[in-house]
Amino acid sequence: GAVVSQHPSWVICKSGTSVKIECRSLDFQATTMFWYRQFPKQSLMLMATSNEGSKATYEQGVEKDKFLINHASLTLSTLTVTSAHPEDSSFYICSARRGSADEQFFGPGTRLTVL
Amino acid sequence: AQKVTQAQTEISVVEKEDVTLDCVYETRDTTYYLFWYKQPPSGELVFLIRRNSFDEQNEISGRYSWNFQKSTSSFNFTITASQVVDSAVYFCALKRTSGTYKYIFGTGTRLKVLA
Repeated sequence: GAVVSQHPSWVICKSGTSVKIECRSLDFQATTMFWYRQFPKQSLMLMATSNEGSKATYEQGVEKDKFLINHASLTLSTLTVTSAHPEDSSFYICSARRGSADEQFFGPGTRLTVL
Repeated sequence: AQKVTQAQTEISVVEKEDVTLDCVYETRDTTYYLFWYKQPPSGELVFLIRRNSFDEQNEISGRYSWNFQKSTSSFNFTITASQVVDSAVYFCALKRTSGTYKYIFGTGTRLKVLA
């Protein structure tokens, strides 16, 4: 159990376009979902925390208007990178927290390349 | 403030050698969780272990073992008889047991096991 999927697994887009990444908990309800960004050969950096039905909490330095997060249901959270630029190219990973569990279950990641 | 330090950026070993990955953490909390994750080239994080701060028993799982030393704030990971398939980036992470559910990741250690 506790499977998290992400779609797409990779995406290439032109500069200036918006890209939406979906994160789904397949076999459990996720009270909280997290979005991370990982640049090549670097660690995971938390971007934001989202709870179902409420606004996401962004980490310091993360632009809310650029990285739109929607957690519309207990099994789905979306990250939209608006007006993407080459510097947004990165590996985006989501994770989900099941109920009151202390563990996060990670998705397989989405590799975004902005040309 | 919480922090996780993985001082070893990259380690190379020859197959069948034992290797230890170091993790040192900082926290003012009396209770917390520590984790180890493996990130193979595919990018997906693979959960390896979770350790609660009040459980200082060392753990062994097959070729993997973990040494938790609260006195030195370390949670080291040893792979015995390493194999090429162990080649990956390994992350140590820290999480509070109350309040925020954020994970604080270390910078990771890239392990290369040579045949």
